[in-house]
Amino acid sequence: AQSVTQLGSHVSVSEGALVLLRCNYSSSVPPYLFWYVQYPNQGLQLLLKYTSAATLVKGINGFEAEFKKSETSFHLTKPSAHMSDAAEYFCAVSIVSGGYQKVTFGIGTKLQVIP
Amino acid sequence: SAVISQKPSRDICQRGTSLTIQCQVDSQVTMMFWYRQQPGQSLTLIATANQGSEATYESGFVIDKFPISRPNLTFSTLTVSNMSPEDSSIYLCSVRQTNTGELFFGEGSRLTVL
Repeated sequence: AQSVTQLGSHVSVSEGALVLLRCNYSSSVPPYLFWYVQYPNQGLQLLLKYTSAATLVKGINGFEAEFKKSETSFHLTKPSAHMSDAAEYFCAVSIVSGGYQKVTFGIGTKLQVIP
Repeated sequence: SAVISQKPSRDICQRGTSLTIQCQVDSQVTMMFWYRQQPGQSLTLIATANQGSEATYESGFVIDKFPISRPNLTFSTLTVSNMSPEDSSIYLCSVRQTNTGELFFGEGSRLTVL
């Protein structure tokens, strides 16, 4: 079984400030990890993914995330927030168990960027 | 990657009626997935639509309430039957890149039941 915990359902940052969105997971087998972004009135779009290669993963729009096995974390960061980053962000974990692939999503974090 | 189109993008429906959501993918895929995103909550998998066989439903979801069709490898429909206000949600169609589990989503169908 696996689970995903996103700490903070709402995060506010000032424009130009560091963005840090937290994600912790639990998994009985090595997972794949993802961050998705959902802009208002749109579907989910992949930001970045960890698939057991480099632990520091770079994604679109200047976002990156670091897989830390010892901390079971996959936090999303961006050095400088833009107004256009305001959206909801979902962390997800994918595992293969018994030949069946299962994806579990976190509850989401709404990012507000303050001018 | 895959491009996924959903119809309708949004609708307002009356209690007791049914609505069918369509999902079209620009490439052939074995499995298509239907998710529900309730207000303030995460995505929950409703069912997996397999071409040529019955859909596989997750715990808490039943075929009578959410019948699914999968007539070919690029198309699927999800019907929300006998709707109640609790069915107000975003319904998302998705396909998966099988080697990593990466999901591609349609833009969602936003359903409001009065």
